[in-house]
Amino acid sequence: AQSVTQLDSQVPVFEEAPVELRCNYSSSVSVYLFWYVQYPNQGLQLLLKYLSGSTLVKGINGFEAEFNKSQTSFHLRKPSVHISDTAEYFCAVSVNQGAQKLVFGQGTRLTINP
Amino acid sequence: ETGVTQSPTHLIKTRGQQVTLRCSSQSGHNTVSWYQQALGQGPQFIFQYYREEENGRGNFPPRFSGLQFPNYSSELNVNALELDDSALYLCASSTTPDSNQPQHFGDGTRLSIL
Repeated sequence: AQSVTQLDSQVPVFEEAPVELRCNYSSSVSVYLFWYVQYPNQGLQLLLKYLSGSTLVKGINGFEAEFNKSQTSFHLRKPSVHISDTAEYFCAVSVNQGAQKLVFGQGTRLTINP
Repeated sequence: ETGVTQSPTHLIKTRGQQVTLRCSSQSGHNTVSWYQQALGQGPQFIFQYYREEENGRGNFPPRFSGLQFPNYSSELNVNALELDDSALYLCASSTTPDSNQPQHFGDGTRLSIL
């Protein structure tokens, strides 16, 4: 079975500061990795995905993530955050077996202070 | 391009009742998945439908059931509602059931059980 651990439940940062949201996963088989963002009272929006190839993945809104197979991590980064980045961020994995099922972490609430 | 739409947006039921939630998949998408997101948690996979057949199921009891129609829209039915069923129910669609395909989420139906 797969599992995802998001190491921080809340991350407060100041506007224009850099941020890193941490994600570790556990799986006995190869995985695909995703980051989703959830704004208040909305569904999930895909930020970026890692399927194969280059371990540094760029997504929307200036976010990027790096896949590290040896550390089983997929941390999300942004060099300079804006107030509009305030949201809940979810890391998720899926495996190429059976149903297309996403396993999510518990989420990290990113709060941007002016 | 129309995204994933869900109805209703909010619903209040009492214990023991039955509920039906509806989802229209994004144009061109033939695969629909349902997730339950309890307050403060990440989404959990309920089941997936592909070509009108259940294509995988998470750890949910049989009182959670679904349908997919020829136009790829879908329903989630929950019988004998319990207090713990209070959650945001998210529908997601994708172009195929392959695990490397990103899922596109609707804004969800918030179900409250009294």
